[in-house]
Amino acid sequence: AQSVTQLGSHVSVSEGALVLLRCNYSSSVPPYLFWYVQYPNQGLQLLLKYTSAATLVKGINDFEAEFKKSETSFHLTKPSAHMSDAAEYFCAVSFASGNTPLVFGKGTRLSVIA
Amino acid sequence: NAGVTQTPKFQVLKTGQSMTLQCAQDMNHNSMYWYRQDPGMGLRLIYYSASEGTTDKGEVPNGYNVSRLNKREFSLRLESAAPSQTSVYFCASSGQGGGNTIYFGEGSWLTVV
Repeated sequence: AQSVTQLGSHVSVSEGALVLLRCNYSSSVPPYLFWYVQYPNQGLQLLLKYTSAATLVKGINDFEAEFKKSETSFHLTKPSAHMSDAAEYFCAVSFASGNTPLVFGKGTRLSVIA
Repeated sequence: NAGVTQTPKFQVLKTGQSMTLQCAQDMNHNSMYWYRQDPGMGLRLIYYSASEGTTDKGEVPNGYNVSRLNKREFSLRLESAAPSQTSVYFCASSGQGGGNTIYFGEGSWLTVV
């Protein structure tokens, strides 16, 4: 069965510093991978997704993620953190075949310090 | 630009009461979902409907029932609410197929006392 592990339930960075949120997946078939962001008291919105095209995926607000099959990873990065990036981030996995719903990681809360 | 609309946004129930969370989407999506979100647990799938007329259990279905009323609407019912069902509930929808983006509603905050 597929699963997603997000390393670190809480990450804190200074404004202007690199953001790195880690995600590893477990899958026996090629996955589709997603990053979602949740701002306080809101629903989730898509940041970016990998669907077997380019391994480096660019999303909204200068976020990007790289699919590394050998490491079964899909880490999310942003070169320079902004205060408005403070939110909870979720990695998720699904598959091409059938209609298996997304499986989410437990989330990483990002704090940005001025 | 409604997207996924769920009601109510907030609800307080007494233990043993029943209620239905309503969800509707206007994106002509085939698939709809109900997730619950609890601190430190991420999002867990309760039930989903891959297409109109079908429903399937997710990871945490106990204590819940669902109805796919038509292509637009997917409701979640708590027959006899328990404090363990205190949570934030999210409805979502997507096109069929694994690579499709899932779109979420704004959430329903449910407290069972």
